[in-house]
Amino acid sequence: GESVGLHLPTLSVQEGDNSIINCAYSNSASDYFIWYKQESGKGPQFIIDIRSNMDKRQGQRVTVLLNKTVKHLSLQIAATQPGDSAVYFCAEDNQGGKLIFGQGTELSVKP
Amino acid sequence: DTEVTQTPKHLVMGMTNKKSLKCEQHMGHRAMYWYKQKAKKPPELMFVYSYEKLSINESVPSRFSPECPNSSLLNLHLHALQPEDSALYLCASSLSQGGTEAFFGQGTRLTVV
Repeated sequence: GESVGLHLPTLSVQEGDNSIINCAYSNSASDYFIWYKQESGKGPQFIIDIRSNMDKRQGQRVTVLLNKTVKHLSLQIAATQPGDSAVYFCAEDNQGGKLIFGQGTELSVKP
Repeated sequence: DTEVTQTPKHLVMGMTNKKSLKCEQHMGHRAMYWYKQKAKKPPELMFVYSYEKLSINESVPSRFSPECPNSSLLNLHLHALQPEDSALYLCASSLSQGGTEAFFGQGTRLTVV
């Protein structure tokens, strides 16, 4: 069946280091992917998205990479800050209006 | 205005109660969604409305009844819930169904006693 998953449930990094959060998806027909950040007690917050006709997209301090060959998605956060501590979800949209979330990675930033 | 507003923020209800969750957006989005999220789990899709019509129902029990009175409002009516229905209920909206960024509200923390 369709699934979106993450390789690591937790990630701990030092403040100032770069963070890489990975995601695997199984539906090769999906053509739109989103990364969300969810802080405790809040709803998911959009970080960055990418369509399947691209393999890289950059935002402010964040970069998303898409490898369609191996169905892999990653989120890179540059110069990680304590405010980046949260759970990060990748989500897959197959244009059917079903946004399927991965299991999430909890990012912890040590000062 | 780029917000999705959900009320109430917290709700405690008994298993025989009837209550409603409300969601509002003024971004002109024509797709609205209800998700359920248990602790330490990803959000799970429940319902999708597109142009005020129910588009997707993910086999949700009938004790959850969605309603879209107009393009800005989305309700979730609750009746005869079970303790296992306790969760964070998230509303989201997007410009259209599929292929566009979905904005989420802060959620309603529901406890069924």
